[in-house]
Amino acid sequence: QSALTQPPSASGSPGQSVTISCTGSGSDVGGYHRVSWYQQHPGKAPRLILYEVTRRPSGVPDRFSGSKSGNTASLTVSGLQAEDEADYYCSSYSGTTNAPALFGGGTRLTVL
Amino acid sequence: DVMLVESGGGLVQPGGSLRLSCAASGFNFSSCAMHWVRQAPGRGLEFIAAIYGHGKIMYYADSVKDRSSISRDNSKNTLYLEMRSLGREDTAKYYCVKDNDLSGYYSGNMDAWGQGATVTVSS
Repeated sequence: QSALTQPPSASGSPGQSVTISCTGSGSDVGGYHRVSWYQQHPGKAPRLILYEVTRRPSGVPDRFSGSKSGNTASLTVSGLQAEDEADYYCSSYSGTTNAPALFGGGTRLTVL
Repeated sequence: DVMLVESGGGLVQPGGSLRLSCAASGFNFSSCAMHWVRQAPGRGLEFIAAIYGHGKIMYYADSVKDRSSISRDNSKNTLYLEMRSLGREDTAKYYCVKDNDLSGYYSGNMDAWGQGATVTVSS
């Protein structure tokens, strides 16, 4: 069981928007502005797509956006494209565990 | 370009040990905290360990903290992970990961990943 909770799957049609949630607690997601999101295509290494909730690394399209409310962070992918089909993982800083990084269990995004 | 190349994976017997290395290039290695993250087959990501740029502060996941050691040699731009008393639950791909904070402190923003070293624990 992962420390952060994500839905196992999400889907949308090309051009649509989809939102993936990531729920933690006040000791991690809710307590810090330090949530990041990673995209992983099959057989590939993960790629950072958002950090500090809303910031995008260079080269990441602005179709990817993030937000946070209380203990839940969200990743929104707008204008879905076929190449967005991948697994998405959230991560948060944790102030109460020995390990400062917690991951969610991952969400498989399917583009219909 | 940032490159992270892991080595040292392979087949390990239960109860055995491993030493993974990660050769880094394309950035100021000593200025960046580094991480090890693993992924069991068909499973999600799991933080294993992290080390500050200066190498004096380390973090470990509870699942490995009593039997693992993360270290670095900034003169060789190389990160290491040593694990002992391996069990089948340690079978995974182990990723070497760069932190995006350029001061050498831990931020948890993992902005560059190696391709991973596969470790299989089996008799």
